[in-house]
Amino acid sequence: QEQLVQSGAEVKKPGASVKVSCKTSGYTFSDSFMHWVRQAPGQGLEWMGWIDPDRGGTNYAQKFQGRVTVTRDTSISTVYMELSRLTSDDSAVYYCARHLGQWPGVGAFDVWGQGTMLTVSS
Amino acid sequence: DIQMTQSPSSLSASMGDRVTITCRASQTISSYLSWYQQKPGKAPKLLIYAASSLQSGVPSRFSGSGSGTDFTLTISSLQPEDFATYFCQQTYIAPDTFGQGTKLEI
Repeated sequence: QEQLVQSGAEVKKPGASVKVSCKTSGYTFSDSFMHWVRQAPGQGLEWMGWIDPDRGGTNYAQKFQGRVTVTRDTSISTVYMELSRLTSDDSAVYYCARHLGQWPGVGAFDVWGQGTMLTVSS
Repeated sequence: DIQMTQSPSSLSASMGDRVTITCRASQTISSYLSWYQQKPGKAPKLLIYAASSLQSGVPSRFSGSGSGTDFTLTISSLQPEDFATYFCQQTYIAPDTFGQGTKLEI
C-alpha cells in the first residue's frame, strides 16, 4: 500500500539547519506531487511548499522563501525538506503529504507521512 | 492569503449524534475544499475532497457540502472513533491554507 516514511525526531540549536526525509513506497514516485506541511504544538496546519518529483520543480509559501529547500532523489523515491536559520518558532511536527491525483487536480493531500518532530532550543 | 474560519472551535457531542462543522473562506474558493480528521499524535487523514467527494475507505456517515465561501462537514451518527480534531483546507489559490480546527469531544 502507498506509504510515506519520514526520518526521526531532530533537536537543533537556533541558527542551524535541518533536513527531513520522506521515503515513498507503494506507488510510482514520479506520478504525484509532494507537499510539506508543519504543525506547531497545539496549533493548526501550515503549508510550506511542494515538489514535482518528476521534473524537480518546486513552489514555496512566501513565508518560507529563502529558508526552505525541497529536493528529491528519484533513485530511492525520497523527498527531502531542508529548513535553515532555525528559530524556536520552527519547533513543530513536519509532515510530507502526497497530492491527490494528477496536478493540479482538486488539491487534496491523500497520503501523509507519520511526522517528524523538530525541537529548536539552545 | 485566503483565511479559513471554522466554527465551532470545539464541540461536545454524544455517540449517535448528528454533528455539523462549518468552514468559511474569506473569498470564493469554488469547490476546492477538503476536510481532514486528526487524532492526537497522528497525521491528518483525508475525509472529503472537492467539497463533497468521499475519500476511498472513509465511512459514509461523513459527508461534505457547499461551494463558494461556505462549507459544511456532517457526521450523521457519531461513533467512538470519530472524536478527534477536524480541519478544512482550501486549495483554490496558493498558498493552500487550513482552518484552525474543530475539536470534537464527548
